[in-house]
Amino acid sequence: TQLLEQSPQFLSIQEGENLTVYCNSSSVFSSLQWYRQEPGEGPVLLVTVVTGGEVKKLKRLTFQFGDARKDSSLHITAAQPGDTGLYLCAGSSGNTGKLIFGQGTTLQVKP
Amino acid sequence: DAGVTQSPTHLIKTRGQQVTLRCSPKSGHDTVSWYQQALGQGPQFIFQYYEEEERQRGNFPDRFSGHQFPNYSSELNVNALLLGDSALYLCASSLGDRVHGYTFGSGTRLTVV
Repeated sequence: TQLLEQSPQFLSIQEGENLTVYCNSSSVFSSLQWYRQEPGEGPVLLVTVVTGGEVKKLKRLTFQFGDARKDSSLHITAAQPGDTGLYLCAGSSGNTGKLIFGQGTTLQVKP
Repeated sequence: DAGVTQSPTHLIKTRGQQVTLRCSPKSGHDTVSWYQQALGQGPQFIFQYYEEEERQRGNFPDRFSGHQFPNYSSELNVNALLLGDSALYLCASSLGDRVHGYTFGSGTRLTVV
């Protein structure tokens, strides 16, 4: 059974601080996605990484896929209150069309 | 461009009852996947429909069933509801099985009392 473990599960920081969220597995994934979900809404895709060692940047967010394609990280620089939400990583294997989600990281950024 | 539409948005049912949730995929998408998200957890894959057939299934009992219609819309049915079925049910649409192109709806919040 493929599992993705996210850490930390909850993070409360002050505006302007940096943070990193980790997503780890013992399984290899063909691609990994990061989503952000707000209360009462569905997950919204932030990024997809497919190549081991790949780094993608989205404004103040930096995503990295591990060399072995078993782990990923999300780094936020100078967090803002608008970054508050649930961050989910999700992996897929081959073209199964099925996503395996981590349990999520709840981020609270205080002004 | 309409995204994924789910109905109803909220639902309260009694234990033992049956429920039907509906999903209209994003325009141009032909595949619908359903996920269950318990409070404080990540979504869990229930099943996926393509060409009106169930193509993949997650680790959910037979009480969970679905259907896809010729217009690509889909229904999720849950029989003999249990308290543990209370969750946010998410529908995601895509073109084929391309997980990179998933679009999620806002979900249906089901509460079983």
